[in-house]
Amino acid sequence: GESVGLHLPTLSVQEGDNSIINCAYSNSASDYFIWYKQESGKGPQFIIDIRSNMDKRQGQRVTVLLNKTVKHLSLQIAATQPGDSAVYFCAENPRTYKYIFGTGTRLKVLA
Amino acid sequence: NAGVTQTPKFQVLKTGQSMTLQCAQDMNHNSMYWYRQDPGMGLRLIYYSASEGTTDKGEVPNGYNVSRLNKREFSLRLESAAPSQTSVYFCASSENNEQYFGPGTRLTVT
Repeated sequence: GESVGLHLPTLSVQEGDNSIINCAYSNSASDYFIWYKQESGKGPQFIIDIRSNMDKRQGQRVTVLLNKTVKHLSLQIAATQPGDSAVYFCAENPRTYKYIFGTGTRLKVLA
Repeated sequence: NAGVTQTPKFQVLKTGQSMTLQCAQDMNHNSMYWYRQDPGMGLRLIYYSASEGTTDKGEVPNGYNVSRLNKREFSLRLESAAPSQTSVYFCASSENNEQYFGPGTRLTVT
């Protein structure tokens, strides 16, 4: 079946470095993508989104890149901080009410 | 503005027991969702409600029922709990694609 997947289950980065979390999607009909952050014991929190008519979108310390040619999505976090430690996952919306969620990547920030 | 709230936060049930998970949102959103989250898997949609009075099955609806009581509230009921329903349950609401999630209910069925 069609699904959203992540390449790296765990990513460890030094505090202050940049983090890059990747996601592959398979549904070419998807036109909207979201990155979520989920801290332990909490619900997913919206970070940033991007529509398929864009290649890049920037937020505060975060950038999402979309490569439709290879169906790839990435989340870049600049100057990673201890508070960024969490599970990050992407979601795609194939033009329906249904979102398809990835399994997640755990980001560990090393002091 | 509390966003999406869920009760209870934790629950332990015995096989065959029933219970209702409550969800409410104060953002005046039309769409509401119930998901379950299991280790190693992405969020899976149980039921969806596009607006008050309407509900639709998601990916894993078996063993669950829902009620969209009004625009604010969307409840999930387990009529006869099974160990396979041990999971963390999240309610969400959305408007214009962006979804807002509640804090979750951790349910254990023994």
